[in-house]
Amino acid sequence: ETGVTQSPTHLIKTRGQQVTLRCSSQSGHNTVSWYQQALGQGPQFIFQYYREEENGRGNFPPRFSGLQFPNYSSELNVNALELDDSALYLCASSTAGGGGMYEQYFGPGTRLTVT
Amino acid sequence: AQSVTQLDSQVPVFEEAPVELRCNYSSSVSVYLFWYVQYPNQGLQLLLKYLSGSTLVKGINGFEAEFNKSQTSFHLRKPSVHISDTAEYFCAVRRNTGFQKLVFGTGTRLLVSP
Repeated sequence: ETGVTQSPTHLIKTRGQQVTLRCSSQSGHNTVSWYQQALGQGPQFIFQYYREEENGRGNFPPRFSGLQFPNYSSELNVNALELDDSALYLCASSTAGGGGMYEQYFGPGTRLTVT
Repeated sequence: AQSVTQLDSQVPVFEEAPVELRCNYSSSVSVYLFWYVQYPNQGLQLLLKYLSGSTLVKGINGFEAEFNKSQTSFHLRKPSVHISDTAEYFCAVRRNTGFQKLVFGTGTRLLVSP
């Protein structure tokens, strides 16, 4: 059973550019959540996708957007990058988008640096 | 809304000594509680979780935590730490109904020295 994978590992972008981060969920999982972890902080929830639909969003502006594909992999897109977007972006997958206790399994993250 | 407070940003301890990492939470509804560990340049790994039932929860790597509803706390303990336990530890909560948004604390860095 493969775990959650993310690509790329590291990325350097310039302010104003756009970036796409990718996540492959663990086998059998249909829900993907994205988190932003700034340096020295805990992860902050960005949004969650369940069966290709966004079903929850944190306090992030619309320039943060996402997609989930039929194979349940996911992308996080960030437009008009700002310096404060520099962070570790974590993807987590789980088995259901509704309530109940479904453990989230985290990937290793993508380190984004905006200069 | 839920929130988590980890009062200790860093906890230094000697190898084989006991350790307690503190976590307090705030929520108007019932929650699930979690502790995650993050090693350098890695993602998050679940140490343990409290869903319901017994308030003492045992996890991986010899860690345990006790849920105290009256004090809204979920402190993490280990009776004897190893050098390899050096890492960042995050306490997290989520509602026990609705979708699966985890709310994390700011983390506690555990530094184990020989």
